[in-house]
Amino acid sequence: QKEVEQNSGPLSVPEGAIASLNCTYSDRGSQSFFWYRQYSGKSPELIMSIYSNGDKEDGRFTAQLNKASQYVSLLIRDSQPSDSATYLCAVIGSARQLTFGSGTQLTVLP
Amino acid sequence: NAGVTQTPKFQVLKTGQSMTLQCAQDMNHNSMYWYRQDPGMGLRLIYYSASEGTTDKGEVPNGYNVSRLNKREFSLRLESAAPSQTSVYFCASSALAGGFEDTQYFGPGTRLTVL
Repeated sequence: QKEVEQNSGPLSVPEGAIASLNCTYSDRGSQSFFWYRQYSGKSPELIMSIYSNGDKEDGRFTAQLNKASQYVSLLIRDSQPSDSATYLCAVIGSARQLTFGSGTQLTVLP
Repeated sequence: NAGVTQTPKFQVLKTGQSMTLQCAQDMNHNSMYWYRQDPGMGLRLIYYSASEGTTDKGEVPNGYNVSRLNKREFSLRLESAAPSQTSVYFCASSALAGGFEDTQYFGPGTRLTVL
């Protein structure tokens, strides 16, 4: 079992829709959770971090964390074609290192 | 302010050759990291330096060595390249010492092919 698992996709949504990206993790000692966006051929950039159970909103992005279910998600409201990218979930576990999922490729269709 | 820079951008090696990937940051960050990214595998940590003068192994250190030359520079060396090391290599830095909790800023990457 991978430590951090994501649906590989690809996920396609129409412009203006809500895109929902999911991530599960296996280490119950994990405390810090991150979402990175990576455009094709580019480097990852951090878009959200979340540390406590519940929702955290930043503009059109909402991160949701449920530690009991070992689940973290990213919602993108009013999706735009410029949101088309690969989204990487990353978790700091008991070993105090950042572990990435394999990413979900999102395409927003005009 | 260039952020994190990496050289070279592309490299082709033959099996058994050696090379060093260079990384520098101008943000006065304390922690620096080396990752590799393979299709379907996400990013995997090779080595990191939690502060100047220290280095530690990550998830996939075999076949690599690192040097934290000073606060700005963190190099990754392949002593005897193997085809399994064909990958995209990213260097990253973060402000805090020992700071995995901190935002990591990534360089543009080096695409390495080992024939």
